[in-house]
Parts: sequence; structure tokens; C-alpha cells
Amino acid sequence: AQKVTQAQTEISVVEKEDVTLDCVYETRDTTYYLFWYKQPPSGELVFLIRRNSFDEQNEISGRYSWNFQKSTSSFNFTITASQVVDSAVYFCALRVSGSRLTFGEGTQLTVNP
Amino acid sequence: GAGVSQSPSNKVTEKGKDVELRCDPISGHTALYWYRQSLGQGLEFLIYFQGNSAPDKSGLPSDRFSAERTGGSVSTLTIQRTQQEDSAVYLCASSPFTDTQYFGPGTRLTVL
Repeated sequence: AQKVTQAQTEISVVEKEDVTLDCVYETRDTTYYLFWYKQPPSGELVFLIRRNSFDEQNEISGRYSWNFQKSTSSFNFTITASQVVDSAVYFCALRVSGSRLTFGEGTQLTVNP
Repeated sequence: GAGVSQSPSNKVTEKGKDVELRCDPISGHTALYWYRQSLGQGLEFLIYFQGNSAPDKSGLPSDRFSAERTGGSVSTLTIQRTQQEDSAVYLCASSPFTDTQYFGPGTRLTVL
């Protein structure tokens, strides 16, 4: 069975601080995909990134960066110089064979001005 | 292009009534998924359609839940004899084959 753990239920930071959201996953499959989604107050899940299990290169997109480490089964997400618009619930998700996503419980990020 | 659309955006119903929720996937996406998001259960997979293959119904919580996908496009999720525990946001997603899933805005169902 697959499992995704986001241990941080809520994080609160002040604007311009850096913040890292943790994600730990469990799977016995050797081929899998990891995702991050953002859910702003409007409710729609917005896709941010996908990584496959064979590519451990870290990725940077603007203020966002992702650190994928198979040795610790982690796929952490860092927002640099956070902004109020980053306030949302962030979900980490895992997909193995078949196509369903297994989601973590989500981390509520609040960025205060 | 247009994203995934869902209707209605909100639905309030009385316990015991049947409801239908609709999803229009992104044009050209062959795969369609339904998930449910509730306070106590987080985001749960319900059902998955891929082309003409038999759907994966393994996430449906009871036989009161069913879904169909007509013409490989629009999908309808039906809940019969609704119960209060069915109250949740029902999310639809689509993807090109088994690639990244893109989500719609959801339908908030409230069962009184």
C-alpha cells in the first residue's frame, strides 16, 4: 500500500521568509511519480510539479524549489521569499501503477504581511 | 484552453434524496477521475475511467455511489439515498492517458 505523510498540519510565516513543506512517502514500487498541488481558498487544486522516481534532480521554478531524496523517501517543497499570495493548502501526492493519486493530509500555509 | 469544469458548484439536498454531479474533462484527455475531499478523510480516490476500459471502481465507498462516462467525455457521479456523511467536496480530474491530473473546481455537496 502507498502512503504519503505531511507531518506539518499548519505553518505560519511572515512575508519574505523562506518556508519548507515536508513530504515523506512510502511505496514498494520502484517506478512512481510524486506531485505537489496547491489549493488556494478558492478550492481548486492547482498542479505545481511532477517528478518520477528515476530523476532525483532538484528543481527550481522561480521562488519554488523541490528536493527529492530517494534515500529518505522525501520530496520537500521550499518557497523562497514567501508572499501573501502563497497562502494555501499544499498537498503532496504519490502515483504508482494504475492512476489513482494517494494524497497526504495537506499543509495549511499562512503568510502574514 | 478550457480546464475541467464541474456542475453544480454547490448542491444542498435532503437526506435520502439522489444527486447527480457532472464533470466535463479537458478536451482530448482520455482519463477521468473522481475524488472526494472531506474534513475527516482528506482527499480520497473514488473512481477512474480510461478510454474504453472498464472503470476502476475500487474507491467507491458503498453501492449507493455510481458513475458513468458517456462517449469518452462527460462523466456523471450519482449518489443514491444520500446520507449526511456524504457531505464533502467532490473533485473531478482529467489527464492525457495516465499523465498529470488536472482538477476542476469541485462540487460542494451538503446533505441536511
